[in-house]
Amino acid sequence: DGGITQSPKYLFRKEGQNVTLSCEQNLNHDAMYWYRQDPGQGLRLIYYSQIVNDFQKGDIAEGYSVSREKKESFPLTVTSAQKNPTAFYLCASSISGTGYNEQFFGPGTRLTVL
Amino acid sequence: KNEVEQSPQNLTAQEGEFITINCSYSVGISALHWLQQHPGGGIVSLFMLSSGKKKHGRLIATINIQEKHSSLHITASHPRDSAVYICAAYTDKLIFGTGTRLQVFP
Repeated sequence: DGGITQSPKYLFRKEGQNVTLSCEQNLNHDAMYWYRQDPGQGLRLIYYSQIVNDFQKGDIAEGYSVSREKKESFPLTVTSAQKNPTAFYLCASSISGTGYNEQFFGPGTRLTVL
Repeated sequence: KNEVEQSPQNLTAQEGEFITINCSYSVGISALHWLQQHPGGGIVSLFMLSSGKKKHGRLIATINIQEKHSSLHITASHPRDSAVYICAAYTDKLIFGTGTRLQVFP
């Protein structure tokens, strides 16, 4: 089955700890994205990558970091510098990052910082 | 003011009713995307359109580029249609609306 997987589904961390969220796709898509969803707000773009070994900041990149060493993987690290990390995180991919191509979403990871 | 606005925010319907969800945007777009988010949080793509109308089963999406407005219609609604419906406008990135929460009761 082709698709996007995110793990874990639920994640609990203590304040001050870094945490890494996994995102893997087997769709052979070039572009991958990380979004954050908060209650009552639309999804907001954290980081995106149009191709392996390259990524760009989105609208709310502060306190986050990413890597794109493999085409199928785009992990997101939530660092201790992120002031309000509790949120629902969604990963997406599209066949290309050039122009608009339909994005496909993973199941999400709900992060709670205690 | 958000660049993408949806109405209503919440919608309750009886099974079988015709549903309309509206999306207005204030920016120039290349395409508009309708998405469905189920209670577990996963998001499914319903439609991507840049003009006219698209239909898939009981779902119909329309867009009027001049009026900067799109609608999602659900005919013969069913409890399994209960979800949050999100529109997203593509400029050089996706700009998301805040979603419409639909509950359909038997």
